[in-house]
Amino acid sequence: AQRVTQPEKLLSVFKGAPVELKCNYSYSGSPELFWYVQYSRQRLQLLLRHISRESIKGFTADLNKGETSFHLKKPFAQEEDSAMYYCALSHTGGFKTIFGAGTRLFVKA
Amino acid sequence: KAGVTQTPRYLIKTRGQQVTLSCSPISGHRSVSWYQQTPGQGLQFLFEYFSETQRNKGNFPGRFSGRQFSNSRSEMNVSTLELGDSALYLCASSLIGQPSTDTQYFGPGTRLTVL
Repeated sequence: AQRVTQPEKLLSVFKGAPVELKCNYSYSGSPELFWYVQYSRQRLQLLLRHISRESIKGFTADLNKGETSFHLKKPFAQEEDSAMYYCALSHTGGFKTIFGAGTRLFVKA
Repeated sequence: KAGVTQTPRYLIKTRGQQVTLSCSPISGHRSVSWYQQTPGQGLQFLFEYFSETQRNKGNFPGRFSGRQFSNSRSEMNVSTLELGDSALYLCASSLIGQPSTDTQYFGPGTRLTVL
């Protein structure tokens, strides 16, 4: 079955601490993997995708096909990073996106 | 450039009624996807339209249907509403719906409450 698992519903860290949001997936094939973020009172938006291998707002995510993981990392968390983060995958033929349950990140001052 | 717009933003219906939700994509975008968001099930894919054709479909009953017009605007319809259909319905648009290169832009959602 195609599935995205985010094991942590809530992650609380102190400002300046490293943060890692975990994501594992189950998919038969080569999916496109994404991290979406939703800040308070804002729309869901794309944070980054695995294929571009870029760093956005200090966040990076590495696709590990052996472990079927796509964890999101940031070395020094900021208060403005507090938000809901969703890991997601899409098939190559159109945006049939499967979302994880989401992890709420809370960065404490 | 204007973002994705959804109307209405809030809707209250009773069981057994039907409802139509509307989504206007970003100008130039031809792919529109719909998602249902509930506290219990999270974000679930409903369907995707591209150039007026349904290209992908999620695992929802036939009561959920949609369509896309020639100007790329999309509507989704839910017939014979059930209490469990209460949810936030999100629409997202992208240029051609190619995940490797496109970005999905989400609307604010329509909050449907079924009484």
